[in-house]
Amino acid sequence: DSGVTQTPKHLITATGQRVTLRCSPRSGDLSVYWYQQSLDQGLQFLIQYYNGEERAKGNILERFSAQQFPDLHSELNLSSLELGDSALYFCASSVEGGGIGTDTQYFGPGTRLTVL
Amino acid sequence: SQKIEQNSEALNIQEGKTATLTCNYTNYSPAYLQWYRQDPGRGPVFLLLIRENEKEKRKERLKVTFDTTLKQSLFHITASQPADSATYLCALGYSSASKIIFGSGTRLSIRP
Repeated sequence: DSGVTQTPKHLITATGQRVTLRCSPRSGDLSVYWYQQSLDQGLQFLIQYYNGEERAKGNILERFSAQQFPDLHSELNLSSLELGDSALYFCASSVEGGGIGTDTQYFGPGTRLTVL
Repeated sequence: SQKIEQNSEALNIQEGKTATLTCNYTNYSPAYLQWYRQDPGRGPVFLLLIRENEKEKRKERLKVTFDTTLKQSLFHITASQPADSATYLCALGYSSASKIIFGSGTRLSIRP
């Protein structure tokens, strides 16, 4: 158990809908990262937040947005969903907000999103 | 654009042997290179990080090497066990560009 929690575990929705994925980092970690993992794309970095501020941006679509709240939990919002958005979405956390790739990241169990 | 290749999709070896996984990249050398283990349906688990100015890192039965001339990292598991069976991912960290790129992974199977 990494100490990172994600809800829900599974989500099934229809095209065009909007969903919110939630992540609670490990106690004491200030950075939260979001990743998308699909069979054809592998693990793709979406976005990083550090202590409430956006720190780094990866391959995140404009239909997707995220935020980190004062209690450090984070939410990833996915809107106008398409079939291709079906994937595992992982949240990770780390202690610091240093350059991405420098900190040990602890991954949560993921949310499996299915868009029908 | 930057590309990462992990040697093969799958690797099968006999218990007790050393497993060697390869991570090759093109273009720019990362500041950091990480290796993760991922079991089916679960999140990746961090194993080792090696910096661009380091040649080798060890942790118990694990060893990572990083050759910026060859643009390659090797990940070794010595005295492999069936419990080591998993997918192993390498990740390149470009801290100055705030970017991290993961390889597609190598699925390792250790047969008893």
